[in-house]
This record gives sequence, C-alpha cells and structure tokens, in this order.
Amino acid sequence: NAGVMQNPRHLVRRRGQEARLRCSPMKGHSHVYWYRQLPEEGLKFMVYLQKENIIDESGMPKERFSAEFPKEGPSILRIQQVVRGDSAAYFCASSRLLNTEAFFGQGTRLTVV
Amino acid sequence: AQSVTQLDSQVPVFEEAPVELRCNYSSSVSVYLFWYVQYPNQGLQLLLKYLSGSTLVKGINGFEAEFNKSQTSFHLRKPSVHISDTAEYFCAVTNTSGSRLTFGEGTQLTVNP
Repeated sequence: NAGVMQNPRHLVRRRGQEARLRCSPMKGHSHVYWYRQLPEEGLKFMVYLQKENIIDESGMPKERFSAEFPKEGPSILRIQQVVRGDSAAYFCASSRLLNTEAFFGQGTRLTVV
Repeated sequence: AQSVTQLDSQVPVFEEAPVELRCNYSSSVSVYLFWYVQYPNQGLQLLLKYLSGSTLVKGINGFEAEFNKSQTSFHLRKPSVHISDTAEYFCAVTNTSGSRLTFGEGTQLTVNP
C-alpha cells in the first residue's frame, strides 16, 4: 500500500506563473488535508477536502489559491499568479475517516523566482 | 480555537543523553495530541498520539510523552538519544471532531557525538 504521493517534489515557477501541486491519498482514504510550511516555521492548515467537496477552507488565502479533490484522480492545489511569498513546502495528508490518523506525503517544495 | 507552543526552538544534546522536548497547548474543548518527526526534506512521520486513556503514551523509536491536563502540556521524552534522532519535532493538537491539526513551530533536536 503506497503512502501519500505528492508530485512534483520540487517546483520552480517565475513570478506570475501558475503552480499546480498534486496529491494522491493512500488507498481507501477519502479525507485530504493541505498544509503549508514556510521557512523556519511550523505547518499551517490550509484546506480540508473530501471527494468532490471542500469541507473547511478557512486556512486558504482568499485570492489566487484554490483546491479540488475530484471524484477521479488526485487532489490538486492550484496557486495562480505566484509571488515570492508563496515559496514554501506544501504538504498533503490523508486519512481514512475523520478523527483517524492522518498520513503525510513528502511534500512539494515550491520556489518562486 | 487551539494553539500550540513549543518552548524550545533548538535542543542540542550529546548521544546517549536523555532529552525532553516541551509542548504546551491551549484549547477551550477536549483535544487529541500528537508528536510528529520530520527528517530533512521529508514529510512528517507520526511518533505517538494521545486520544484518551493512560496519560503516558509510548511511541516509536523509544519516545514517550505524558499528557498533563492540569498543566496543558504534552512533553516528549527519550531516555537515551541516538545520532539518528537528529530531526525537527512538531507537537500538534486537534479537537475531538478532528478535521484539522494545529502545529507548534517545531523543535530542532540535534544529537552530537
């Protein structure tokens, strides 16, 4: 059973470009969470999704950021018109049920130049 | 809302010495508590968790933590550390409806020979 898979592991974008980060949860997991880790900081919650539904997006910036978890395929975190301040590690986690252990992927490290 | 404070940003110790990484939390509701470890350029791995029951929780790699409700603490301990324990350690909390984790800022444990 493969763990949570995130790709790409590293992503470089120029200011103004779009970044798409993908997360495939563990088999049988229908709950997906995205977290952002800025340099020298802890992880900050961004969004919680179930299949085809955004359940809690209270940690998402109001503009340029969006997330989806379609019926088929991975969860996508999309950042439009990236700025230098978006440079961070973005982690995805998944769980089988609410209140059960969340397993983390290895993260996507986004660098905006 | 919850918050987590990790009282030490860096903890250097010598190999085979004991170590304690401190974590305090605040919450107006009942919580679940977690410790995660992050090795360089890796995702987070769960060390241990407190959901209910015994306040002394044993985890992987010889780590343990004690939940102290009156002091709102969940300190992580290991009686004898190895070089391979060098990593960043994160304390996290979620409420018992558990849709999102709130992380502390992390403690960098460095084990020196």
